[in-house]
Amino acid sequence: SQKIEQNSEALNIQEGKTATLTCNYTNYSPAYLQWYRQDPGRGPVFLLLIRENEKEKRKERLKVTFDTTLKQSLFHITASQPADSATYLCALPSLGDYKLSFGAGTTVTVRA
Amino acid sequence: GAGVSQTPSNKVTEKGKYVELRCDPISGHTALYWYRQSLGQGPEFLIYFQGTGAADDSGLPNDRFFAVRPEGSVSTLKIQRTERGDSAVYLCASSLGVAGTGELFFGEGSRLTVL
Repeated sequence: SQKIEQNSEALNIQEGKTATLTCNYTNYSPAYLQWYRQDPGRGPVFLLLIRENEKEKRKERLKVTFDTTLKQSLFHITASQPADSATYLCALPSLGDYKLSFGAGTTVTVRA
Repeated sequence: GAGVSQTPSNKVTEKGKYVELRCDPISGHTALYWYRQSLGQGPEFLIYFQGTGAADDSGLPNDRFFAVRPEGSVSTLKIQRTERGDSAVYLCASSLGVAGTGELFFGEGSRLTVL
């Protein structure tokens, strides 16, 4: 089965800086990879999807890369704001493409 | 509302009791998932429905856990003889299934505490 590893340490950064989060996976390369945001006490919320043939995807201040050779995705939050403070989860579909498996998440805290 | 609705939001029960958690997915979403999330961990897959049938229940930890979706919409997760280790947040999610990109829409979760 797929093993998904995200930065185990929480990330504390100054407002305005860029946060970079890592998601590494083992075994097969999925057709796509997703990133979710989760606030305390809430369910995860979808942010971005990047397909295996896409090197990079952007949405406002968010940027995601997908390197199938390294089996890695990087998630960047540029010009970070305190409101970006949350836990960010990466998720990969199963080979059958119907089920998502999640990493443990990385907690980001942006200081004003 | 237009989102995934889960009830109850909080449930405290005693060891050995029976619990039901309900999920009302987004209208028109054929795929429905149950996940379990413990503190500091990501959501862990339990079961997946496509329509009324459980297409994959490989994540259910044991036979005390059971889920139904009789009319292809609302789903109920049932836990018998609860144990303290069952304490977690149970998340429900729905999606368009094969018609979509795989994006999941989550509810806010049901927090289960077994004393």
